[in-house]
Amino acid sequence: SAVISQKPSRDICQRGTSLTIQCQVDSQVTMMFWYRQQPGQSLTLIATANQGSEATYESGFVIDKFPISRPNLTFSTLTVSNMSPEDSSIYLCSAPGGGETQYFGPGTRLLVL
Amino acid sequence: QKEVEQNSGPLSVPEGAIASLNCTYSDRVSQSFFWYRQYSGKSPELIMSIYSNGDKEDGRFTAQLNKASQYVSLLIRDSQPSDSATYLCAVSRLFGNEKLTFGTGTRLTIIP
Repeated sequence: SAVISQKPSRDICQRGTSLTIQCQVDSQVTMMFWYRQQPGQSLTLIATANQGSEATYESGFVIDKFPISRPNLTFSTLTVSNMSPEDSSIYLCSAPGGGETQYFGPGTRLLVL
Repeated sequence: QKEVEQNSGPLSVPEGAIASLNCTYSDRVSQSFFWYRQYSGKSPELIMSIYSNGDKEDGRFTAQLNKASQYVSLLIRDSQPSDSATYLCAVSRLFGNEKLTFGTGTRLTIIP
C-alpha cells in the first residue's frame, strides 16, 4: 500500500485568503487525486493531478479556485483560493497503492472564518 | 438519480451479528468496486475491493457484486464494536488508476 502524508493537518483561515495543501507519496505514481469532504458528507472528487500535464477538474470545480501543481511523480499541491466559510471541509489526496486500489492521506481539516 | 447510492442509515447491529451494507450504482460500464471504512475524524481506509461478479471473502468481510443488477454489498460477520464506523462504497469506471465516485456512506453502530 502507498504511504501518503499531507501538510498541514489542519488550519484555521480568514475569508479571502488562500491555503496551499501539500501531498507526498512514498512511491512514484502517475496520477494523484484531490477530494473534498464537507461536514457530514461523503467524498467529492475535485481534480486529477497528472504529472507533466494540466490537472483535470470535475464539474463544479475550477482551476482559478483550486489551482493544482504536480511537479514530480511523488508530490502535489492543492491551493484553496479566496476562501469563504463554504470552503470549510476536509481535503484529502489519494494515490494508487498497487493494483487498482487507491489509498488516502490523513486529510487537511480546514476551517474558514 | 445519484451515481452511487447506499442504504440509508444509521444502521445498528448487535455485537456478534451480521451487518449488511448495500450499494447501487448507475453507470453500467463501472468495472471496479471498493468498500472504505471511515472512523470519525479519520481518512477513509480501504477494506475490500471487488471486480468480478460473485463473492469475495477476506476474514470477517465478504463483498458481493452483481453487475447485472448494478449492486454491490458488504457483509460483516461476527460484528465487533470496533466495526462501528461509516462505510463508503466507491466505484470506478475502469481498471487501473481511475477516479472514484463515492456513495453517501452508511453509518454503522455495533451495539455491545
